[in-house]
Formats: sequence, structure tokens, C-alpha cells
Amino acid sequence: SAVISQKPSRDICQRGTSLTIQCQVDSQVTMMFWYRQQPGQSLTLIATANQGSEATYESGFVIDKFPISRPNLTFSTLTVSNMSPEDSSIYLCSVLGTGQSGGYTFGSGTRLTVV
Amino acid sequence: GESVGLHLPTLSVQEGDNSIINCAYSNSASDYFIWYKQESGKGPQFIIDIRSNMDKRQGQRVTVLLNKTVKHLSLQIAATQPGDSAVYFCAENTNDYKLSFGAGTTVTVRA
Repeated sequence: SAVISQKPSRDICQRGTSLTIQCQVDSQVTMMFWYRQQPGQSLTLIATANQGSEATYESGFVIDKFPISRPNLTFSTLTVSNMSPEDSSIYLCSVLGTGQSGGYTFGSGTRLTVV
Repeated sequence: GESVGLHLPTLSVQEGDNSIINCAYSNSASDYFIWYKQESGKGPQFIIDIRSNMDKRQGQRVTVLLNKTVKHLSLQIAATQPGDSAVYFCAENTNDYKLSFGAGTTVTVRA
């Protein structure tokens, strides 16, 4: 299965600032996704990162708040913009590739705390 | 929208016993299901999957059962070990490549 490197692993940010999270995959993958996991909660899909075009956002998530880039088949970024304490969560990159692990692999996540 | 949910938020099990984690799903169009294990500070880790044309699938110490009639999914862990302590999520896919996750069950293994 694909190996995902997600950076940073954690950060503490001031409200009103922005943070960009990087997701690097060791192989070309079909699809890349970004999830949010609020404290003690399940995973919620933010958007599907599309290579060479605008991301597809789920209900409740907008591009101005969570701009996403995917310049190639192995890399994507998620920016959390104009942060507030409510944005404190774990943000996870996931990819759909080929292989035995159901095709879906997750990064280790970025633990964001907004103060 | 339709979602996947879990019957019990927590499960405490004696080491060596078998664990059963349940999941109810509401989308009858879902055709692919995955169980994930998430340990503290880590991302979800694939355990086992099953497609809707099957009702049972076995892995190493784990078995997934799918009952499409009642839209129910379960994960059985045999001879539960301390390393099995984690949060377990079921996830479903409805052929659009997006996964929808259930609420999660926290499994605690007692020594």
C-alpha cells in the first residue's frame, strides 16, 4: 500500500492565521482526500483533491476556508485559513491507490490547536 | 444524509476473550465496507474489508460479517490482546470513492 508523509505532525497556531498541511505519497495514486477529525469524534470528509483542477468539497466545507492544491499525482496541500479555536482538530490525508489495504490509506494526521 | 453508525461507543474486554464490534449503516446502496483501527496519535489503519456480494470474510484473528437484510456490519476479534486497545471505525463506500465513517467504538482490553 501507499506510504503517506504528512507534515507538520502537530502545530499550535494563533487565531486569524493560516496553516498549510502537506501530504506526500510515495507512489502515484488515483485519488487524494482530506478529512477532519474533531476531538473524540469520527472522521468527516472535507474534500477530494483533484489533480490539476479545483477540489470537490463536501457540504459544510468551502474553498475559501480550506483551499486545497494537488499539482501532481503524489502531492497535495490543505490550508486552514483564518483559523479560530473551532478549527482545532486532527486533519488527515488519505489516498486511494492500488494494493491490499482496501486501496485507502491514511496519513498519521496533523494535530492542530488554535489559541 | 445517510450515515454509518455504531451501536456501542465503548467496549471493555478481558484479554484472551473475543471482541465483537457492531456497526449499522443506513445507505442500502453501499457496496463496500472497511474496518479501521485508530490508535492514539495515529491515522486509521486498515483491518479488513468486505464487499456487498459477500456476507463473511476472515483475516488474521479478525472476521467481518455483513448482513445486508438489516444493514448491519460486525467485526470480531479473536483472542483479544492488549495491543488491540484502540478506537475502531467502520466505513462505507457507495461507489463514488468517498468513505463515510461511523462514530467509532473505543475498545479497552483488561489484563
